[in-house]
Amino acid sequence: AQSVTQPDIHITVSEGASLELRCNYSYGATPYLFWYVQSPGQGLQLLLKYFSGDTLVQGIKGFEAEFKRSQSSFNLRKPSVHWSDAAEYFCAVAPTNFGNEKLTFGTGTRLTIIP
Amino acid sequence: DGGITQSPKYLFRKEGQNVTLSCEQNLNHDAMYWYRQDPGQGLRLIYYSQIVNDFQKGDIAEGYSVSREKKESFPLTVTSAQKNPTAFYLCASSRIGIGGYNEQFFGPGTRLTVL
Repeated sequence: AQSVTQPDIHITVSEGASLELRCNYSYGATPYLFWYVQSPGQGLQLLLKYFSGDTLVQGIKGFEAEFKRSQSSFNLRKPSVHWSDAAEYFCAVAPTNFGNEKLTFGTGTRLTIIP
Repeated sequence: DGGITQSPKYLFRKEGQNVTLSCEQNLNHDAMYWYRQDPGQGLRLIYYSQIVNDFQKGDIAEGYSVSREKKESFPLTVTSAQKNPTAFYLCASSRIGIGGYNEQFFGPGTRLTVL
């Protein structure tokens, strides 16, 4: 079975600073990879996804993520964070040989932005 | 606007009572899902349905039941058999296609508190 690890429970960064959120996965092959964002008390919004091809993917709100097969990682980055980026971020994976129901989430990283 | 509606946003129930959470979508999606979210545990799949009158158990189905009588609706009942029902519940939906992966869209969630 696939699994996802987000090693950082909580990260605090200054507004305008760069951001990197870590995600490692365990799966027998390369899965489909996703990053979602959740504002407090709200549902999840898809930031970006990786299916195949270029390992650097661009998403919404200025986020990008890089897939590194050798490290089984899919880290999320943003060059300069804004106060509105404060939220919880979830990495998720789906196996490529099953249907949509097998989406597996990490435990999340809470991002706090300080002025 | 197309989207997913969950009601109510907050729900309080006494221990031992069954409670039903509503999920409606007007995206014309075939598949619908229920997730449970607890602090520090990410999202876990409870049930999913890919067609009317059919549904499958997810990873934590015990103590829950669902129905899918209409394509647009996928209500979740939290029964008295669920030992720890207090949580944030998220509904999602997606298309179903042959090959590839179809993004899941999430509703705003229902926070259930059992007193």
